[in-house]
Amino acid sequence: DIQMTQSPSSLSASVGDRVTITCRASQSISTYLNWYQQRPGQAPKLLIYAASSLQSGVPSRFSGSGSGTDLTLTISNLQPEDFASYYCQQSYRTPYTFGQGTKLEIK
Amino acid sequence: EVQLVESGGGLVQPGGSLRLSCAASGFTFSSYAMTWVRQAPGKGLEWVSGISISGDRTYYADSVKGRFTISRDDSKSTLYLQMNSLRAEDTAIYYCAKDWFSGSWGQGSLVTVSS
Repeated sequence: DIQMTQSPSSLSASVGDRVTITCRASQSISTYLNWYQQRPGQAPKLLIYAASSLQSGVPSRFSGSGSGTDLTLTISNLQPEDFASYYCQQSYRTPYTFGQGTKLEIK
Repeated sequence: EVQLVESGGGLVQPGGSLRLSCAASGFTFSSYAMTWVRQAPGKGLEWVSGISISGDRTYYADSVKGRFTISRDDSKSTLYLQMNSLRAEDTAIYYCAKDWFSGSWGQGSLVTVSS
């Protein structure tokens, strides 16, 4: 199975900051990488698919980049509603494994 | 509007069985692969199983292989997950999701495995 390792596991930031979350795959996954946001008590929400394509309705302050084994999610100009948990997921080969998650907290 | 509604969760003893259902509406169910993802209390997301459009290909996480079976009934627009030989570590909220990676998820169904 492809292992996905996210870093950091937790992150403190302030409204207006720019943050980056990294996902490292145990083997190359090209750009078969998706990013989700999950708020407490809610189902995950797709933000980015195919590494850099913004899901419809998602604000442009979210962006994804990278290919191969190292991919990143960047959130610019953090808003209060962005403080949540974030997960990467590879869709290169089944099982389509998730990273362990990054909890973004308000500083 | 896409809607996915899971049902069938509950409390079951270790070694027991449960069948989850996911009723889909708002899209052509037969034209999409479907997926189950779970989340143990306070933990991250775990991809559990997926089924192809025609249902002829099914995939499982190693943690459930041989115990869980995914299936679909396109005439009822419903996805299923048959869970046998349940263990305490299967305790989680189970979500169904449209397609292999998804912008559409259900609200989840809680499965608790405990004596």
